Amino acid sequence: KNEVEQSPQNLTAQEGEFITINCSYSVGISALHWLQQHPGGGIVSLFMLSSGKKKHGRLIATINIQEKHSSLHITASHPRDSAVYICAVLSYSGGGADGLTFGKGTHLIIQP
Amino acid sequence: DAGVIQSPRHEVTEMGQEVTLRCKPISGHNSLFWYRQTMMRGLELLIYFNNNVPIDDSGMPEDRFSAKMPNASFSTLKIQPSEPRDSAVYFCASSLEGFGEQYFGPGTRLTVT
Repeated sequence: KNEVEQSPQNLTAQEGEFITINCSYSVGISALHWLQQHPGGGIVSLFMLSSGKKKHGRLIATINIQEKHSSLHITASHPRDSAVYICAVLSYSGGGADGLTFGKGTHLIIQP
Repeated sequence: DAGVIQSPRHEVTEMGQEVTLRCKPISGHNSLFWYRQTMMRGLELLIYFNNNVPIDDSGMPEDRFSAKMPNASFSTLKIQPSEPRDSAVYFCASSLEGFGEQYFGPGTRLTVT
């Protein structure tokens, strides 16, 4: 079973700061998801990536398959970015997908 | 599209009762997922369906849990009998195909007393 570690667990920053959230996993994967869970509980899929880098607005996700590591960056952070960010990895075995394994999440607070 | 629809949004029941959670995926999506979220264990994948067929139910905690998808627009997750440790938020999600980008429903908050 893949072990997924996120860091930091909690992060408080000021509006405008550049934010980095990290995700490491123990076993090779086929894809990695970044999810955002709002204070109200709703979950939104931000990115799915298997190599390189993806960008959407102020969000950037990168993955290094060799190092088994991914980062989520937020540029020019805003209070509305306050949420829990969850990393999930998709592992495959010979029989097919092993399903998603989730990190515990990073609780981000952006103060105005 | 209205997105993934789940009902009920909140359910409070007594230990031993049967609980049925319902999900309507986004039209045209071929894959459906059931997740459970607790403070202790975070998000966990319980089961997923592809084209209405259960593909992997290894995450279902025990025989008290069962899930069905009788057609492309409806799925249920049933707990019988329920126990206090089943208290959690249960999310349903759907995707066009497999583990691609998933769209989550609002969740059902289940409390078993």
